[in-house]
Amino acid sequence: QVQLVQSGAEVKKPGASVKVSCKASGYTFTGSYIHWVRQAPGQDLEWMGWISPNSGATKYAQKFQGRVTMTRDTSISTAYMELSRLGSDDTAVYYCAREAFPKAFDIWGQGTMVTVSS
Amino acid sequence: QSALTQPPSASGSPGQSVTISCTGTSSDVGGYNYVSWYQQHPGKAPKLIIYEVTKRPSGVPDRFSGSKSGNTASLTVSGLQAEDEADYYCNSYTGSNNPYVFGTGTKVTVL
Repeated sequence: QVQLVQSGAEVKKPGASVKVSCKASGYTFTGSYIHWVRQAPGQDLEWMGWISPNSGATKYAQKFQGRVTMTRDTSISTAYMELSRLGSDDTAVYYCAREAFPKAFDIWGQGTMVTVSS
Repeated sequence: QSALTQPPSASGSPGQSVTISCTGTSSDVGGYNYVSWYQQHPGKAPKLIIYEVTKRPSGVPDRFSGSKSGNTASLTVSGLQAEDEADYYCNSYTGSNNPYVFGTGTKVTVL
Protein backbone atom coordinates (compact mmCIF):
# COMPACT_ATOMS: atom_id res chain seq x y z
CA GLN A 1 0.00 0.00 0.00
CA VAL A 2 0.99 3.63 -0.37
CA GLN A 3 2.90 4.75 2.67
CA LEU A 4 5.57 7.03 4.03
CA VAL A 5 7.73 5.64 6.84
CA GLN A 6 9.84 8.03 8.86
CA SER A 7 12.94 7.53 10.97
CA GLY A 8 12.78 7.21 14.72
CA ALA A 9 12.72 9.73 17.54
CA GLU A 10 15.74 11.95 18.14
CA VAL A 11 17.09 13.82 21.15
CA LYS A 12 19.45 16.68 20.36
CA LYS A 13 21.27 19.37 22.26
CA PRO A 14 20.72 23.06 21.52
CA GLY A 15 22.80 24.20 18.57
CA ALA A 16 22.96 20.74 17.01
CA SER A 17 21.38 19.53 13.77
CA VAL A 18 18.87 16.77 13.08
CA LYS A 19 18.18 14.86 9.88
CA VAL A 20 14.86 13.05 9.50
CA SER A 21 14.20 10.55 6.73
CA CYS A 22 10.95 9.66 4.96
CA LYS A 23 10.86 6.47 2.88
CA ALA A 24 8.12 6.17 0.28
CA SER A 25 6.62 2.93 -0.97
CA GLY A 26 3.65 1.80 -3.03
CA TYR A 27 3.80 4.60 -5.62
CA THR A 28 6.21 6.34 -7.98
CA PHE A 29 8.39 8.40 -5.65
CA THR A 30 9.34 10.93 -8.32
CA GLY A 31 5.73 11.60 -9.24
CA SER A 32 4.66 13.74 -6.27
CA TYR A 33 6.14 16.50 -4.15
CA ILE A 34 7.04 15.71 -0.55
CA HIS A 35 6.20 18.35 2.07
CA TRP A 36 7.43 18.67 5.63
CA VAL A 37 5.12 19.86 8.41
CA ARG A 38 5.86 20.12 12.10
CA GLN A 39 3.73 20.27 15.24
CA ALA A 40 5.07 21.42 18.58
CA PRO A 41 3.51 19.75 21.66
CA GLY A 42 -0.09 20.90 21.99
CA GLN A 43 0.34 23.33 19.13
CA ASP A 44 -0.88 23.75 15.56
CA LEU A 45 0.52 22.38 12.33
CA GLU A 46 3.26 24.45 10.68
CA TRP A 47 4.31 24.05 7.05
CA MET A 48 8.10 23.97 6.57
CA GLY A 49 8.70 23.37 2.88
CA TRP A 50 8.57 21.00 -0.06
CA ILE A 51 10.93 19.09 -2.30
CA SER A 52 10.35 17.76 -5.77
CA PRO A 53 11.75 14.22 -5.73
CA ASN A 54 11.97 14.38 -9.51
CA SER A 55 14.12 17.49 -9.93
CA GLY A 56 15.37 18.10 -6.39
CA ALA A 57 13.89 21.61 -6.45
CA THR A 58 12.90 22.95 -3.05
CA LYS A 59 10.79 25.70 -1.52
CA TYR A 60 11.14 26.59 2.14
CA ALA A 61 8.99 28.68 4.45
CA GLN A 62 10.68 32.00 5.13
CA LYS A 63 10.86 31.19 8.83
CA PHE A 64 13.21 28.27 8.15
CA GLN A 65 15.28 29.75 5.32
CA GLY A 66 18.97 29.24 6.00
CA ARG A 67 18.33 26.61 8.63
CA VAL A 68 16.51 23.83 6.77
CA THR A 69 17.73 21.63 3.93
CA MET A 70 15.52 19.15 2.10
CA THR A 71 17.10 16.50 -0.08
CA ARG A 72 16.16 13.19 -1.64
CA ASP A 73 17.74 9.94 -2.81
CA THR A 74 15.66 8.56 -5.67
CA SER A 75 17.56 5.24 -5.65
CA ILE A 76 15.96 4.38 -2.31
CA SER A 77 12.78 6.50 -2.62
CA THR A 78 13.67 8.52 0.44
CA ALA A 79 13.34 12.19 1.27
CA TYR A 80 15.29 13.94 4.02
CA MET A 81 14.78 17.06 6.11
CA GLU A 82 17.74 18.49 7.99
CA LEU A 83 17.25 21.32 10.48
CA SER A 84 20.29 23.04 11.94
CA ARG A 85 21.02 25.32 14.90
CA LEU A 86 18.30 23.67 16.93
CA GLY A 87 16.67 25.50 19.81
CA SER A 88 14.19 24.36 22.43
CA ASP A 89 11.34 25.74 20.33
CA ASP A 90 12.21 23.22 17.62
CA THR A 91 10.95 20.43 19.88
CA ALA A 92 8.12 19.00 17.82
CA VAL A 93 6.79 16.09 15.83
CA TYR A 94 8.01 16.37 12.25
CA TYR A 95 5.85 14.89 9.49
CA CYS A 96 6.49 14.27 5.83
CA ALA A 97 3.47 14.26 3.54
CA ARG A 98 2.82 13.54 -0.13
CA GLU A 99 1.11 16.02 -2.41
CA ALA A 100 -0.86 13.88 -4.85
CA PHE A 101 -3.89 16.16 -5.09
CA PRO A 102 -3.24 19.75 -6.12
CA LYS A 103 -1.95 21.69 -3.10
CA ALA A 104 -3.14 19.06 -0.60
CA PHE A 105 -1.32 16.44 1.44
CA ASP A 106 -2.94 13.05 1.00
CA ILE A 107 -0.50 10.60 2.61
CA TRP A 108 1.40 11.38 5.81
CA GLY A 109 4.27 9.69 7.55
CA GLN A 110 3.81 8.53 11.12
CA GLY A 111 5.79 11.47 12.46
CA THR A 112 9.21 11.78 14.07
CA MET A 113 9.52 13.29 17.54
CA VAL A 114 12.52 15.58 17.84
CA THR A 115 13.36 16.74 21.34
CA VAL A 116 15.86 19.54 21.89
CA SER A 117 17.17 19.58 25.42
CA SER A 118 20.41 20.33 27.19
CA GLN B 1 1.76 34.93 6.60
CA SER B 2 -0.57 34.68 9.60
CA ALA B 3 -2.32 31.46 10.49
CA LEU B 4 -5.89 31.06 9.30
CA THR B 5 -8.47 31.64 12.03
CA GLN B 6 -10.61 28.76 13.28
CA PRO B 7 -12.82 28.55 16.37
CA PRO B 8 -11.00 26.69 19.16
CA SER B 9 -13.85 24.28 19.73
CA ALA B 10 -17.13 22.98 18.36
CA SER B 11 -19.49 20.30 19.57
CA GLY B 12 -22.63 18.40 18.74
CA SER B 13 -24.61 15.35 19.74
CA PRO B 14 -24.48 12.12 17.74
CA GLY B 15 -26.45 12.50 14.53
CA GLN B 16 -26.29 16.29 14.57
CA SER B 17 -24.20 18.51 12.29
CA VAL B 18 -21.31 20.78 13.15
CA THR B 19 -19.73 23.43 10.94
CA ILE B 20 -16.20 24.77 11.38
CA SER B 21 -15.11 28.04 9.83
CA CYS B 22 -11.65 28.94 8.51
CA THR B 23 -11.09 32.63 7.92
CA GLY B 24 -8.22 34.04 5.93
CA THR B 25 -7.68 36.86 3.48
CA SER B 26 -7.92 37.54 -0.23
CA SER B 27 -4.27 36.44 -0.45
CA ASP B 28 -5.00 32.89 0.66
CA VAL B 29 -8.50 31.44 1.19
CA GLY B 30 -10.22 34.08 -0.92
CA GLY B 31 -7.66 34.04 -3.69
CA TYR B 32 -7.40 30.36 -4.51
CA ASN B 33 -9.61 27.27 -4.59
CA TYR B 34 -6.92 25.32 -2.79
CA VAL B 35 -8.38 24.92 0.67
CA SER B 36 -7.93 21.53 2.29
CA TRP B 37 -9.08 20.09 5.60
CA TYR B 38 -7.38 17.58 7.87
CA GLN B 39 -8.65 15.44 10.73
CA GLN B 40 -6.21 14.57 13.50
CA HIS B 41 -6.85 12.16 16.33
CA PRO B 42 -4.64 12.41 19.44
CA GLY B 43 -1.17 11.06 18.84
CA LYS B 44 -1.87 10.37 15.17
CA ALA B 45 -0.84 11.94 11.89
CA PRO B 46 -3.33 14.23 10.16
CA LYS B 47 -5.67 12.72 7.59
CA LEU B 48 -6.85 14.55 4.46
CA ILE B 49 -10.65 14.78 4.34
CA ILE B 50 -11.31 17.66 1.88
CA TYR B 51 -9.18 19.17 -0.89
CA GLU B 52 -9.78 21.91 -3.45
CA VAL B 53 -12.48 23.36 -1.16
CA THR B 54 -15.17 20.73 -1.84
CA LYS B 55 -13.59 17.47 -3.03
CA ARG B 56 -13.37 14.32 -0.92
CA PRO B 57 -10.61 11.74 -1.35
CA SER B 58 -11.68 8.18 -1.93
CA GLY B 59 -12.77 6.53 1.31
CA VAL B 60 -13.82 9.70 3.13
CA PRO B 61 -17.51 9.51 4.06
CA ASP B 62 -19.87 11.94 2.36
CA ARG B 63 -20.82 13.18 5.84
CA PHE B 64 -17.85 15.50 5.39
CA SER B 65 -18.38 18.46 3.07
CA GLY B 66 -16.55 21.68 2.33
CA SER B 67 -17.51 25.08 1.00
CA LYS B 68 -16.15 28.60 0.63
CA SER B 69 -17.55 32.11 0.56
CA GLY B 70 -15.19 35.02 0.10
CA ASN B 71 -12.29 34.73 2.52
CA THR B 72 -13.94 32.07 4.70
CA ALA B 73 -13.97 28.33 4.09
CA SER B 74 -16.14 25.92 6.04
CA LEU B 75 -16.17 22.24 6.89
CA THR B 76 -19.46 20.58 7.79
CA VAL B 77 -19.66 17.22 9.47
CA SER B 78 -23.17 15.82 9.20
CA GLY B 79 -24.57 12.90 11.17
CA LEU B 80 -21.89 13.20 13.84
CA GLN B 81 -20.40 9.96 15.05
CA ALA B 82 -18.21 9.24 18.05
CA GLU B 83 -15.18 8.67 15.84
CA ASP B 84 -15.49 12.21 14.45
CA GLU B 85 -14.21 13.56 17.76
CA ALA B 86 -10.81 14.96 16.77
CA ASP B 87 -8.91 18.12 15.92
CA TYR B 88 -9.59 19.63 12.52
CA TYR B 89 -7.21 21.92 10.62
CA CYS B 90 -7.75 23.88 7.44
CA ASN B 91 -4.95 24.74 5.06
CA SER B 92 -4.76 27.16 2.16
CA TYR B 93 -2.35 27.77 -0.65
CA THR B 94 -1.18 31.38 -0.73
CA GLY B 95 0.98 31.71 -3.80
CA SER B 96 3.43 33.79 -1.79
CA ASN B 97 6.93 33.13 -0.50
CA ASN B 98 5.19 31.17 2.26
CA PRO B 99 2.94 29.16 -0.05
CA TYR B 100 0.97 27.18 2.52
CA VAL B 101 -0.68 28.26 5.76
CA PHE B 102 -2.58 26.15 8.29
CA GLY B 103 -5.48 27.16 10.47
CA THR B 104 -5.38 27.42 14.24
CA GLY B 105 -7.24 24.15 14.66
CA THR B 106 -10.68 23.26 16.04
CA LYS B 107 -11.36 20.56 18.59
CA VAL B 108 -14.63 18.83 17.82
CA THR B 109 -16.36 17.11 20.73
CA VAL B 110 -19.19 14.64 20.27
CA LEU B 111 -21.42 15.07 23.31
